[in-house]
Amino acid sequence: NAGVTQTPKFQVLKTGQSMTLQCAQDMNHNSMYWYRQDPGMGLRLIYYSASEGTTDKGEVPNGYNVSRLNKREFSLRLESAAPSQTSVYFCASKPEPGQSYEQYFGPGTRLTVT
Amino acid sequence: AQSVTQLDSHVSVSEGTPVLLRCNYSSSYSPSLFWYVQHPNKGLQLLLKYTSAATLVKGINGFEAEFKKSETSFHLTKPSAHMSDAAEYFCVVSEGGRRALTFGSGTRLQVQP
Repeated sequence: NAGVTQTPKFQVLKTGQSMTLQCAQDMNHNSMYWYRQDPGMGLRLIYYSASEGTTDKGEVPNGYNVSRLNKREFSLRLESAAPSQTSVYFCASKPEPGQSYEQYFGPGTRLTVT
Repeated sequence: AQSVTQLDSHVSVSEGTPVLLRCNYSSSYSPSLFWYVQHPNKGLQLLLKYTSAATLVKGINGFEAEFKKSETSFHLTKPSAHMSDAAEYFCVVSEGGRRALTFGSGTRLQVQP
C-alpha cells in the first residue's frame, strides 16, 4: 500500500513551457486535492475533485488545469509556466468529502520555473 | 468562512522541556480541526484531529491538543520535546462540504540540545 504517490519529485521548467504533475492513490479514496506550498503561507488549494468525474476550483486556480482520470489518478497541468508558479506541489486524498476525514498527502513535487 | 491563525511562526525549546504551539480558528459552523507535521523536504503527516468528540485529543508521538470553543483555540502541546520533533507544524480547519482544508501559515519548531 503506497498511499499517495507523486511524480516527478523535482522539475525545472523555463517560462512558457508546459508540464503535467501526476498523482495517484491506492486507498480507494473518493476525494483528491492539489495544493501549493509557498514559504510563510501554509498550503493553498488549487483544485479538488470530490469524486470521480468532478473537479472544482480552489483558492488559487489561475494558470492550472486538472484531470480526474479515474478514481485513482488526479493530474495537474501547467499550460504555460510562469516564475510565480515556482512552488512545492502536494497532492492529497481522503475517503469522502466530509469534514471529519483527514487528508493523506503525497511527498510533493518541487517545481522551479526560470 | 473559516480561517486559522498560528500565533508563532517560530518556537524554540530545549530538549526535554514542554512544547506549546498556539492556534486560533474562526468558523461559522462546528469545525473539525487537525494538526499536521512536516519534516524537512517531506510530505505532511497527521498528528491528531478533533471531530466534536472529546475536547482533549491525543495524537502520535506524545502530542495532544485541547479544543476550547469559548476561546476558539486548538493549541498543540507535548510534555517533553525530543530532537526528532524539530519540524514545521500546521493547524488546519475544515467546515466540511466538498471543499478542502484551510491551513494556518505554520510554526517552525526548533529543539535545542
